[in-house]
Amino acid sequence: DAKTTQPNSMESNEEEPVHLPCNHSTISGTDYIHWYRQLPSQGPEYVIHGLTSNVNNRMASLAIAEDRKSSTLILHRATLRDAAVYYCILRDVNSGGSNYKLTFGKGTLLTVNP
Amino acid sequence: EPEVTQTPSHQVTQMGQEVILRCVPISNHLYFYWYRQILGQKVEFLVSFYNNEISEKSEIFDDQFSVERPDGSNFTLKIRSTKLEDSAMYFCASSSGTGLESYNEQFFGPGTRLTVL
Repeated sequence: DAKTTQPNSMESNEEEPVHLPCNHSTISGTDYIHWYRQLPSQGPEYVIHGLTSNVNNRMASLAIAEDRKSSTLILHRATLRDAAVYYCILRDVNSGGSNYKLTFGKGTLLTVNP
Repeated sequence: EPEVTQTPSHQVTQMGQEVILRCVPISNHLYFYWYRQILGQKVEFLVSFYNNEISEKSEIFDDQFSVERPDGSNFTLKIRSTKLEDSAMYFCASSSGTGLESYNEQFFGPGTRLTVL
């Protein structure tokens, strides 16, 4: 899977929007961009995914650059419960059996201040 | 909402002992996974399982590890002879789809913390 680069940590205030960046300059045409998060002492949790177009769901929005070399996860109003490590993961749906595993990087540790 | 469950939540064992970590995936899911996370480190893929056989395994998943789906609900990870370096949080995950879908969301369990003394 292509590599992603994320800041080690970010800080936000409660009730404010948070923009978590991810760079993936070597992304291929068949790579989907997935975001997972891991709350303290819990297993990872799916957040959102996309291919080319921006995506919205109840948890977050995903903004994908036109050249697809970067993306941004947007939490519209951060809450204390959003404090977690956020992982940006590329998955090539055409890579056969290896498609199914998730390859986690170090992610971005988001701290939310009250 | 359906969820993946894991037992026990914490397992303490002596080096050299066998341990079995248990998982109950979401009932209609077809793909099953084990990951581990050593304290302070990244989540690492161990193995994926589909149609009663291993689909893929990592270098970590050596001969000391095995997986089994003994019945229609449980999915187990066995470590035959534990080492100190096996101490980690072990996460089970399951997913429903195939590789042709645009995504294959994996649902993770809460983890089993394995401590090897």
